[in-house]
Amino acid sequence: GENVEQHPSTLSVQEGDSAVIKCTYSDSASNYFPWYKQELGKRPQLIIDIRSNVGEKKDQRIAVTLNKTAKHFSLHITETQPEDSAVYFCAANPGGSYIPTFGRGTSLIVHP
Amino acid sequence: EPEVTQTPSHQVTQMGQEVILRCVPISNHLYFYWYRQILGQKVEFLVSFYNNEISEKSEIFDDQFSVERPDGSNFTLKIRSTKLEDSAMYFCASRWEGDGYTFGSGTRLTVV
Repeated sequence: GENVEQHPSTLSVQEGDSAVIKCTYSDSASNYFPWYKQELGKRPQLIIDIRSNVGEKKDQRIAVTLNKTAKHFSLHITETQPEDSAVYFCAANPGGSYIPTFGRGTSLIVHP
Repeated sequence: EPEVTQTPSHQVTQMGQEVILRCVPISNHLYFYWYRQILGQKVEFLVSFYNNEISEKSEIFDDQFSVERPDGSNFTLKIRSTKLEDSAMYFCASRWEGDGYTFGSGTRLTVV
């Protein structure tokens, strides 16, 4: 089955800095890569996603890149704000499946 | 924005007791899921449900678990004889077509 590794487990940045979270996946047939943000005690919420036919996608301060050859994808947050503090999960949908495999999560802390 | 609703938000139960976790998916969604998240760990897939039957389940979803859509709107997860290790946050999710999930707010199950 699919295996998703996520790094780092904790990321601490100053407000205004950029943050990068990296994930790798094992199944070369995986074709959909969502990112979820989970604030403390709340539900995971989809913040951005990318499909395997696209190399990069951007939505305001958030961007995701995908390298299919290397089987890794990354989340980039620019101009971080304290409200960006949360746990971020990457996920990968194996080919033909709508069941994502989640990474272990990255706790992002943005210091004012 | 439509939401997935879960009740109760927190349930405490004695080991060996049965619990039923309830979810009301978004009304026009077709695919329903249960996930669990043990404290501080990643989100794990339990089961998917489509067209009134289980379409996929994980190794975690053993004989003590069952799901039902009793009345066309509610989607329930039953744990027959709870164990201490069943303590976790349980998330319901639904989707219409395509890949994007909407998660519910979760039920925190504590088995004592």
